[in-house]
Amino acid sequence: DSGVTQTPKHLITATGQRVTLRCSPRSGDLSVYWYQQSLDQGLQFLIQYYNGEERAKGNILERFSAQQFPDLHSELNLSSLELGDSALYFCASSTGLAATDTQYFGPGTRLTVL
Amino acid sequence: GQNIDQPTEMTATEGAIVQINCTYQTSGFNGLFWYQQHAGEAPTFLSYNVLDGLEEKGRFSSFLSRSKGYSYLLLKELQMKDSASYLCAVRVPGGYQKVTFGIGTKLQVIP
Repeated sequence: DSGVTQTPKHLITATGQRVTLRCSPRSGDLSVYWYQQSLDQGLQFLIQYYNGEERAKGNILERFSAQQFPDLHSELNLSSLELGDSALYFCASSTGLAATDTQYFGPGTRLTVL
Repeated sequence: GQNIDQPTEMTATEGAIVQINCTYQTSGFNGLFWYQQHAGEAPTFLSYNVLDGLEEKGRFSSFLSRSKGYSYLLLKELQMKDSASYLCAVRVPGGYQKVTFGIGTKLQVIP
């Protein structure tokens, strides 16, 4: 158990819908990262927040957005969903400060778009 | 851009030793990670190298050569539970602690 929690574990929805994925980082971690992992694809970095502020953006679609709240939990919002958005979505957290900073991953949310 | 290459699949025998290679071409380098990921589960941290050389942790060791853009993960005394994907990831400058992952090597351990 990494200490990172994600809800829900599974989500099944239809094309065109909007969903929100939630992540709570490990106690003391200030950085949160979101990744997408499609079938047979590597982990694709989406976005990173540090202490409430966006710090880095990867291959995140305009239909996707995220935020980190004052209590440091984060939400990833996916809208106008398409079949190709079906994937595992992972959240990771790290202290965000140390030179040897390591990301610890949550169990993921499996999104299925029908 | 960032490019990380690993073999997509490997097979090894229980009790044996296997080496999983990773080469990278990135714009800058701030460290290399290895993660283990069982199917459908979260990646779990195995090792971190930032200086050249070998880091040993029990049955797992990781090696780095920065001049060659090369790393390997060595797994000894393979067990069936080591069947998983092994992800090589490089931290690059630009963006706070930005880490780029390779596609991963799927290792199958057979009896």
